[in-house]
Amino acid sequence: ETGVTQSPTHLIKTRGQQVTLRCSSQSGHNTVSWYQQALGQGPQFIFQYYREEENGRGNFPPRFSGLQFPNYSSELNVNALELDDSALYLCASSSGLAGATDTQYFGPGTRLTVL
Amino acid sequence: AQSVTQLGSHVSVSEGALVLLRCNYSSSVPPYLFWYVQYPNQGLQLLLKYTSAATLVKGINGFEAEFKKSETSFHLTKPSAHMSDAAEYFCAVSGTSSGSARQLTFGSGTQLTVLP
Repeated sequence: ETGVTQSPTHLIKTRGQQVTLRCSSQSGHNTVSWYQQALGQGPQFIFQYYREEENGRGNFPPRFSGLQFPNYSSELNVNALELDDSALYLCASSSGLAGATDTQYFGPGTRLTVL
Repeated sequence: AQSVTQLGSHVSVSEGALVLLRCNYSSSVPPYLFWYVQYPNQGLQLLLKYTSAATLVKGINGFEAEFKKSETSFHLTKPSAHMSDAAEYFCAVSGTSSGSARQLTFGSGTQLTVLP
């Protein structure tokens, strides 16, 4: 069984640029969630995709957007990068069943640095 | 809205000593609670989860946590610390965001150091 994978591992961008991060969900999972983890903090929920539709969003501006594909992989896009966007971006997949008890399995993350 | 507070951003224990990491939650509905561990430069690994089946939950690597509704707590323990337990630990509660998504709300984490 393949776990959650993310690419790239590290990324350096400059302020104002755009970035795309990618995530492949665990086999059999149809739900993908994205989290931002700033240095020294816990992860914060950005949004979740279920069967290619966004079905929930945290307190992040519209320049954070995403996609989910028919194979349930996902992208996170961030436009007009700001210095505060520097963080570890984590993708988590889940089976979409069992509601609140549905366990989310995390990938290794993408470290984004904005200069 | 749900929230989680982890008391103590840094905890140090000697190898072989008891590990106790504290987590208190706030939730208007019966909570579902999780502990995750994060090793340096890695993602989060699930240690254990509480889903109302039993108040004492056993997880991987010898960790366990007890749900205490009266204290709104879900503290993580391990009887004997090992050097490999050194990592950052996050407590999280599952709740709803806008829409129907079940999001995890995390505490700020506790860095565990194990001294030889």
